[in-house]
Amino acid sequence: EAGVTQFPSHSVIEKGQTVTLRCDPISGHDNLYWYRRVMGKEIKFLLHFVKESKQDESGMPNNRFLAERTGGTYSTLKVQPAELEDSGVYFCASSQRTVSSTDTQYFGPGTRLTVL
Amino acid sequence: AQSVAQPEDQVNVAEGNPLTVKCTYSVSGNPYLFWYVQYPNRGLQFLLKYITGDNLVKGSYGFEAEFNKSQTSFHLKKPSALVSDSALYFCAVRDRERDDKIIFGKGTRLHILP
Repeated sequence: EAGVTQFPSHSVIEKGQTVTLRCDPISGHDNLYWYRRVMGKEIKFLLHFVKESKQDESGMPNNRFLAERTGGTYSTLKVQPAELEDSGVYFCASSQRTVSSTDTQYFGPGTRLTVL
Repeated sequence: AQSVAQPEDQVNVAEGNPLTVKCTYSVSGNPYLFWYVQYPNRGLQFLLKYITGDNLVKGSYGFEAEFNKSQTSFHLKKPSALVSDSALYFCAVRDRERDDKIIFGKGTRLHILP
């Protein structure tokens, strides 16, 4: 069974540019999560999809970030325009079932975003 | 508010010795607790989790963790460290009654010295 995949693995862009990150969850997983780790700090929750619906987007830092999951399969996270403080590693995770379940979240390898 | 503390930024252990990576947590309800590991240039890998039942949880690669409710701790342990255990370890918690998101600690870098 394929794990969670993310693309690209690394992106270097200049301040003000746009970047789109992609996540493909494990097949059959309804839940998809985005997290971010800024250098040396905690991994922080960004948002949670259940199928194509946003269940919780309380962690999204501001309106420069837009996440979509059309069709309930893969998800994209767009940063527009990118700022220096957006640099970090963006992780995607997926799990099968929803709140109060014991399901484990399985993480992808992350996308390392560098904004110059 | 939920939180996780990993008090050590780095832990150094000689190969063959037992290792402990510390974690304490705070949640308003009952916790689900997790350990994840990140090897160099790799993503986060699930190691083990505590849901309910036996306080000693066994996971991948010979790791185990002990849930201690009175001390609100979930320390990661291994009886005999390997050089290949060198990695970044994250403790995490989820409030089982509230929501799905995981709250992570800052991570502890484990160095196993040959």
